[in-house]
Amino acid sequence: NAGVTQTPKFQVLKTGQSMTLQCAQDMNHEYMSWYRQDPGMGLRLIHYSVGAGITDQGEVPNGYNVSRSTTEDFPLRLLSAAPSQTSVYFCASSYSLTGTGNYGYTFGSGTRLTVV
Amino acid sequence: GENVEQHPSTLSVQEGDSAVIKCTYSDSASNYFPWYKQELGKRPQLIIDIRSNVGEKKDQRIAVTLNKTAKHFSLHITETQPEDSAVYFCAASSGNTPLVFGKGTRLSVIA
Repeated sequence: NAGVTQTPKFQVLKTGQSMTLQCAQDMNHEYMSWYRQDPGMGLRLIHYSVGAGITDQGEVPNGYNVSRSTTEDFPLRLLSAAPSQTSVYFCASSYSLTGTGNYGYTFGSGTRLTVV
Repeated sequence: GENVEQHPSTLSVQEGDSAVIKCTYSDSASNYFPWYKQELGKRPQLIIDIRSNVGEKKDQRIAVTLNKTAKHFSLHITETQPEDSAVYFCAASSGNTPLVFGKGTRLSVIA
């Protein structure tokens, strides 16, 4: 049982490049989400999914796309990277939308992205 | 939507002292309030939570209190130890949306 696996752990992009951050979970969780963490800004929700084929926007969705073709995978795509997207990205999964019970949200180990 | 304010942003305490972190929320429909701890370089992990039908909850040295009327909730850590040093996040949700997190409090426990 690996939990939530994020790849890559580190990435440097040039402005305008695109890339996909991978997230996979093996706990059969219906709910998955992407947060970005910036100094002094806490964890801000980018996109989330309540099940395969269903996604919705969070607080800061601009510049990002997601899809949920399987229960296990929830990739985050940066369409055209900008320096403002330099951040640490966390994927999370849970049995419920808010993580009540069952140990709350299970976070991945994070992806540290730098856009130059 | 929900907005969660967290104070203070940094907190230093002597080992053995108590630490208190406070959060306020805006949406009166919010009914679930967890606290997450993030150690340096690690992922956030749930440490304690409280639902709106409960005023206080304890788990060993940590406790959370909730005042629904004032829309604020607090984390209390007693007999602090160096391993309590971390960033703590409060969060809130009505159950219809994912968690909205506060901006975090960096707690330093000085030995």
